[in-house]
Amino acid sequence: AQSVTQPDIHITVSEGASLELRCNYSYGATPYLFWYVQSPGQGLQLLLKYFSGDTLVQGIKGFEAEFKRSQSSFNLRKPSVHWSDAAEYFCAVERGSTLGRLYFGRGTQLTVWP
Amino acid sequence: SAVISQKPSRDICQRGTSLTIQCQVDSQVTMMFWYRQQPGQSLTLIATANQGSEATYESGFVIDKFPISRPNLTFSTLTVSNMSPEDSSIYLCSVDTGGPPYEQYFGPGTRLTVT
Repeated sequence: AQSVTQPDIHITVSEGASLELRCNYSYGATPYLFWYVQSPGQGLQLLLKYFSGDTLVQGIKGFEAEFKRSQSSFNLRKPSVHWSDAAEYFCAVERGSTLGRLYFGRGTQLTVWP
Repeated sequence: SAVISQKPSRDICQRGTSLTIQCQVDSQVTMMFWYRQQPGQSLTLIATANQGSEATYESGFVIDKFPISRPNLTFSTLTVSNMSPEDSSIYLCSVDTGGPPYEQYFGPGTRLTVT
């Protein structure tokens, strides 16, 4: 069965610092992978996705993620964090053959210090 | 993209009662999905709703507790039946594009508190 692990429950970074949020998945084949962001009082917003091809994917808001098959990882990165990036970040994997059935990691709460 | 609205946005209900949550999409979609986000937790898929067929429920969720309707390609409802405080959660509706660019969109959620 597919699973998604986000080992960091809470991360704190200073504004302007770089950021990496970790995500590991367990799946027999190459999965479809996603990163979502949930800001306080806001809905879920898709940051980026990986289906196939180039393993480094660019997303919105300056985020990027790299798919590493050998490590079963799909880590999210941003070179310089802004205070507005403070939010909850969820990694997700598409489960089964039906697009849209997502299995989410438990999330990483990002705090940004000014 | 798809714009999704949900009603109500929040509600406080007494245990033993039922609440029906509505999900409206601004375009026709084949698949609609219902998720639950318990306090401080991640999102868990409840069921997949296809128009014209019975919803497909994930392990741990049953139709008697979470009946779903999908009368057309832009609308779905989720009912939380015989509620208990453990049902206090945010319930989210989502849709996917069903084709390129293979993106999934989420509604704003319905925050349910059961007392």
